[in-house]
Amino acid sequence: NAGVTQTPKFQVLKTGQSMTLQCAQDMNHNSMYWYRQDPGMGLRLIYYSASEGTTDKGEVPNGYNVSRLNKREFSLRLESAAPSQTSVYFCASSDWGGTLNEQFFGPGTRLTVL
Amino acid sequence: DQQVKQNSPSLSVQEGRISILNCDYTNSMFDYFLWYKKYPAEGPTFLISISSIKDKNEDGRFTVFLNKSAKHLSLHIVPSQPGDSAVYFCAASAVVDKLIFGTGTRLQVFP
Repeated sequence: NAGVTQTPKFQVLKTGQSMTLQCAQDMNHNSMYWYRQDPGMGLRLIYYSASEGTTDKGEVPNGYNVSRLNKREFSLRLESAAPSQTSVYFCASSDWGGTLNEQFFGPGTRLTVL
Repeated sequence: DQQVKQNSPSLSVQEGRISILNCDYTNSMFDYFLWYKKYPAEGPTFLISISSIKDKNEDGRFTVFLNKSAKHLSLHIVPSQPGDSAVYFCAASAVVDKLIFGTGTRLQVFP
């Protein structure tokens, strides 16, 4: 039982390049999330998916797209990376409304855009 | 417009003493509050939560207090241990399934 896994762990991009961050969970959770963490800013929600087939914007969606591929997987895509997207990205999942309402986080992807 | 605020970026406490981490919020619609702990190079992990219908929730060395009239919650760790050294985030929810996080407080527990 791996929980929430993210790939890659580290990535360096040049401005304008594209990439996809992958996330998978094996807890059969309905909801999945993408956050970014920046110094002094806490965790800010980029996009979330309340269930398979649905996605919604969070607090900071500009410059990102997401795909809920199936119940297990939720990917985050940067089409044209910018230095302002240098951050640590966390994926999370939850089974809100079940016995525990917390979100479970992956280990993060550290992204640097030059 | 920060809806969840942790005004102390850092806190240093001696081992064995009490650590008190504070969190203020502005949205009166928040009805569920959580604390997360984060070690370097790892994802946040859930620590303890409290519903707005309660004013206290305890789990071992960790207790969360909620003061709805003051829109304030606090996390007490007693006794503090060196392994508690981490960044602590409070989070709040007004809409099912979405959390708003504070900026975090770095706790250092020294011998």
